[in-house]
Amino acid sequence: DTEVTQTPKHLVMGMTNKKSLKCEQHMGHRAMYWYKQKAKKPPELMFVYSYEKLSINESVPSRFSPECPNSSLLNLHLHALQPEDSALYLCASSQGGGFQPQHFGDGTRLSIL
Amino acid sequence: GIQVEQSPPDLILQEGANSTLRCNFSDSVNNLQWFHQNPWGQLINLFYIPSGTKQNGRLSATTVATERYSLLYISSSQTTDSGVYFCAVHNQAGTALIFGKGTTLSVSS
Repeated sequence: DTEVTQTPKHLVMGMTNKKSLKCEQHMGHRAMYWYKQKAKKPPELMFVYSYEKLSINESVPSRFSPECPNSSLLNLHLHALQPEDSALYLCASSQGGGFQPQHFGDGTRLSIL
Repeated sequence: GIQVEQSPPDLILQEGANSTLRCNFSDSVNNLQWFHQNPWGQLINLFYIPSGTKQNGRLSATTVATERYSLLYISSSQTTDSGVYFCAVHNQAGTALIFGKGTTLSVSS
């Protein structure tokens, strides 16, 4: 699903660093999602933005801070991460309200030193 | 919440063989998607199939919503089919996908 673009593809950061993950889609979708995937596990939902408003936060620690500047763009700001936060972070989008198929980006593979 | 179970957990095939992957879900669903995650981590949409049968090349899928299961058929498998196949359904509110644990497929030449 290359219609959802994520950057960077890989990121290595220290526990004191601040970095951001970026996700962009140009399909006119109005819902965007962040998922976290640990090795050999399925993706798990972190956040949902619907019409640019945060609608779901799955009890994610505050060291992860999402932002949706406009309907095409979704950011995930990272600060003071822990080694256990190392994972593949996947962004997805869907047309809008519930039960629409979700389209995923290629992910950012994050390693925390 | 809805439970999603996939079987088998692992599958090893020779190139050219056919296979069937199964996904059972615990409650009625309004959406079901099949994904292929390749060894590089890319999660590729295969089918959006809340009910009925769809085909795309060597792959086809059938969902019997009333009996709460879906099947993914792979015919004439190729080494590029290797990876993890996930079934995912929406939660009751339609706000998030709930994934099964996946079937890891290895196709050797």
